[in-house]
Parts: sequence; C-alpha cells; structure tokens
Amino acid sequence: AQKVTQAQTEISVVEKEDVTLDCVYETRDTTYYLFWYKQPPSGELVFLIRRNSFDEQNEISGRYSWNFQKSTSSFNFTITASQVVDSAVYFCALSEALNSGGSNYKLTFGKGTLLTVNP
Amino acid sequence: DGGITQSPKYLFRKEGQNVTLSCEQNLNHDAMYWYRQDPGQGLRLIYYSQIVNDFQKGDIAEGYSVSREKKESFPLTVTSAQKNPTAFYLCASSIGLFSEQYFGPGTRLTVT
Repeated sequence: AQKVTQAQTEISVVEKEDVTLDCVYETRDTTYYLFWYKQPPSGELVFLIRRNSFDEQNEISGRYSWNFQKSTSSFNFTITASQVVDSAVYFCALSEALNSGGSNYKLTFGKGTLLTVNP
Repeated sequence: DGGITQSPKYLFRKEGQNVTLSCEQNLNHDAMYWYRQDPGQGLRLIYYSQIVNDFQKGDIAEGYSVSREKKESFPLTVTSAQKNPTAFYLCASSIGLFSEQYFGPGTRLTVT
C-alpha cells in the first residue's frame, strides 16, 4: 500500500525564518504524482504544486520551493522568509491508481504539518 | 467565479438521523471526491465518481452513500449506520486523471 509520511507534526518559527517541511513517500507505481496542499484555519485545502515522477527538477515559485529526490523518495517543501500568513497545516499527497488500468486514482495524504509563524 | 461550493458550513444532527451534505462545482470537472478529515489526521477518501451515474467506494465508505445524477453535483449522505460521523467533510473535483484536485470549503458535521 502507498504511504506518505510527514514526520514533523508541528513546526514553529519566527517571521522571516526559512522553514522546510519534509515529505517521504512509498509507492510501487512507476508513474505517480506528488502534491502539496495548504490548509489555512478556514479549512479549505489550497493546491500548491503537482510534480510527476519523471521530473526531478526543483521548482521555485516566489518564496516557495520544492525539492524532489526520487532516490530518497522525498518531496520537501521550503518556505523562504516565512510570513505570518504562511501559518497553516500543509499536506503532502501521492497519487495512487485504484485499478490496474489506471483509469481511476485517488490521493493518499500524509497527516500534515502544522506550521506556525510568529511575528 | 468557478469553484466548488459546499453547504452548510456547520451542521448539527442528533444521533440516528441521516444527513445529506451538498457539493456543487461549476468547473466542468468530470471527477468528484468526498473526503473525511478528523483532528490531527490527513484526509481519507469516502467515495469518488469519475463520470455521471457512476461512483466507487473509497477507503471508508461504510455508513455513507452518494449519488451522481448531474455532472455538477455530488451529494453525500451520512447515514445512521456511520458509527462516528462527527468530522470535517471535504468535497473535491478534478479535470481528469492525475490532475490536481480542487477542494470546497468543507462542512463541519457534529452529531450528538
């Protein structure tokens, strides 16, 4: 069975610090996708990024960056110069085919990391 | 504005009553999903639907039922058979295979 592990349950930083959220996954699929979502206190999940298993190039979007390393099955997320508005629960997720034909799939979520950015 | 709406945001029910949670999307997405989230936990898949008039059980379907009569709508009924129904319920949709899922604002259900 597929698994996503976010070992950091809670992280607390001071504004302007850099912070890295870890994500380690297990899968037997050769083609898969990894995702990061942000869940602010309002509860709605906000999509941040999708990365496929064949693209190990790191990605940067503003203060956000992602480091995908297939060799260690990790997909870590770094926020540079954190801000109070970054406070949220962050989820890492992995796609999983639900049938052998791959026509149905679901996301397996980690348990999330609660990030608190203090002023 | 395109998006997913869920209503109501908060819902209270007495034990033994069935309750239906609404989920509507105007993104023209084929696939829709229902997840349950408990405190300190990730999301667990209840049901999903890839096309109209078809849906499949997820990991924790017992005590729940769904319908998909229209592309835009995917209501979830929490039946009295669900032993621990108090949770945060999230609906999502996606355009297709392996594409990102977009989530609604969620419904917080409390059963006493």
